[in-house]
Amino acid sequence: NAGVTQTPKFQVLKTGQSMTLQCAQDMNHNSMYWYRQDPGMGLRLIYYSASEGTTDKGEVPNGYNVSRLNKREFSLRLESAAPSQTSVYFCASSEWPSHNEQFFGPGTRLTVL
Amino acid sequence: GEDVEQSLFLSVREGDSSVINCTYTDSSSTYLYWYKQEPGAGLQLLTYIFSNMDMKQDQRLTVLLNKKDKHLSLRIADTQTGDSAIYFCAENMRDTGRRALTFGSGTRLQVQP
Repeated sequence: NAGVTQTPKFQVLKTGQSMTLQCAQDMNHNSMYWYRQDPGMGLRLIYYSASEGTTDKGEVPNGYNVSRLNKREFSLRLESAAPSQTSVYFCASSEWPSHNEQFFGPGTRLTVL
Repeated sequence: GEDVEQSLFLSVREGDSSVINCTYTDSSSTYLYWYKQEPGAGLQLLTYIFSNMDMKQDQRLTVLLNKKDKHLSLRIADTQTGDSAIYFCAENMRDTGRRALTFGSGTRLQVQP
């Protein structure tokens, strides 16, 4: 099992460019999440998907959109990147409701110039 | 809003015990978690505790929970250099139906040989 995979690992964008971060999990989990991590801060929730076909906003959704393509895949899109979106992005999945252990991908380090 | 709070830094000598503290926000949280992040990697669940427990022990790890004070601690016995990492406490985020997690800002543990 690969667990949670994310692509790309690194990305540099110019202000105004768009891109999509990809995430996939092979654990048959129903819930998936996108977090961002900024220096000196914990992870903050951008969007989550409780189950296939549903998505909901988290704490910091502005400037992002998501798609739960199927049970395995959950993508995050930046339509017009801004320097404030420079961050490390983590995707996670869990089998709700259990004890909700979240499994994290290795992260995508994004720099917006 | 209120934050999950942790001290930022802890330095110990190899072989000593480490105690990392956290205060959380939601007295009705069902599960509380400790995650470990090594450099350049995603987060890995170390342990979790159910809210009706006061203590949980798992090999070198001991979690103590004081619900009255909303205080959580992680004790690592016989700390090793391989324990050097950032440790995050987390609680279920109520606004997401308790699916997503609210993280503290992380405690960087440095283990000196």
